[in-house]
Amino acid sequence: QVQLQESGPGLVKPSETLSLTCAVSGGSISHNYWSWIRQPAGKTLEWLGRIYATGTTNYTPSLKSRVTISLDTSKNQVSLRLNSVTAADTAVYYCVRGPLPPTMTFDDWGQGILVTVSS
Amino acid sequence: QSALTQPASVSGSPGQSITVSCTGTSSDLGTFNLVSWYQQHPGKAPKLLIYEDRKRPSGVSNRFSASKSGNTASLTISGLQAEDEADYYCCSYAGSSTWVFGGGTKLTVL
Repeated sequence: QVQLQESGPGLVKPSETLSLTCAVSGGSISHNYWSWIRQPAGKTLEWLGRIYATGTTNYTPSLKSRVTISLDTSKNQVSLRLNSVTAADTAVYYCVRGPLPPTMTFDDWGQGILVTVSS
Repeated sequence: QSALTQPASVSGSPGQSITVSCTGTSSDLGTFNLVSWYQQHPGKAPKLLIYEDRKRPSGVSNRFSASKSGNTASLTISGLQAEDEADYYCCSYAGSSTWVFGGGTKLTVL
């Protein structure tokens, strides 16, 4: 079981770019899928996208134009960028190992980081 | 791509059984045998309970069981315990390398 730790600014201004990093320990980011999932306060989970060790990405259609997920294999880190943010992007953002074939489950989760979009 | 539909809340007394439903469409839950269920306690990250519609990972209590029929999946918790009070989310592969979650169900143990 790997450990995941999200980090980044807790406050982002509207129209700016949200940037988060996930440090992976206890395992390599190679040979795994990594996702970002967010959860506004009191609301449900929303899968944002995933990246494989090769750099191949998939994104949820509604956010595809604004989301970028990337890897830094030298640092064993996964990153999320979400541009042109609004208050609707305020949420806890989770870094997650998965979905893991063939079960397609989200197995290991970070503790989450609250990002507030406000001027 | 819409969220799967779950009841907002369910409740039960200790020792009883409850069932949480999760309704999708023929484009997601009804086509793929890839429904998973997650338990989330307040302030914590979700935890995997069920995968591939009905399978339990090692370490998950056998009080948790699940099934699926058509476009509806169900999670049953038997022998309710106080520690089961949490939010429960279903999740399904939705095709085209995308995933969708349910709206979540808050379980109250009376």
